[in-house]
Amino acid sequence: EAEVAQSPRYKITEKSQAVAFWCDPISGHATLYWYRQILGQGPELLVQFQDESVVDDSQLPKDRFSAERLKGVDSTLKIQPAELGDSAMYLCASSDGSSTSYEQYFGPGTRLTVT
Amino acid sequence: AQRVTQPEKLLSVFKGAPVELKCNYSYSGSPELFWYVQYSRQRLQLLLRHISRESIKGFTADLNKGETSFHLKKPFAQEEDSAMYYCALRGSGTYKYIFGTGTRLKVLA
Repeated sequence: EAEVAQSPRYKITEKSQAVAFWCDPISGHATLYWYRQILGQGPELLVQFQDESVVDDSQLPKDRFSAERLKGVDSTLKIQPAELGDSAMYLCASSDGSSTSYEQYFGPGTRLTVT
Repeated sequence: AQRVTQPEKLLSVFKGAPVELKCNYSYSGSPELFWYVQYSRQRLQLLLRHISRESIKGFTADLNKGETSFHLKKPFAQEEDSAMYYCALRGSGTYKYIFGTGTRLKVLA
């Protein structure tokens, strides 16, 4: 069964360093989501792509975060510079993007620790 | 403001007891409501959505637009139901999802 892949699974970095996360959605899925999940909270949408276009990045801290999905397939989320408050689980999800689709398929997440 | 509220962080019940996980939402428009579940060491996955009106693993959820609620219910809890449950809504148009803070369900033997 196809799954969403994410790497790395764990990342420890020092504050002020740059960090990047990668996501490979299920093949054919047009919609890709990046979420941040702080311990004890639910996932919070950071950015949503439809193919290679950003649909929603209203919650993305654009001074330090960037996301791209150049060919409309896999995606990279970058943080530069990382801050202590960025420690969280970063989840990627995808869906087929049709108007009738509803299910998001989640990856295993990348747990980021900023020291 | 668009918001999903799950008032209980932790709910403990005994095996065989009824379960109700509460979810209230605030949204201007007609959202779709979902329950997602995360079992230990597994990925977040869809449990059910309000449009389908189906029972999954014995769980049901009814959308009450008057009370803006979408509570998740199961008449007889099983130990394998122990997990983290998230209520979520999907807005119309952009299909943006908003998640609640989650409720951890512990089913005791």
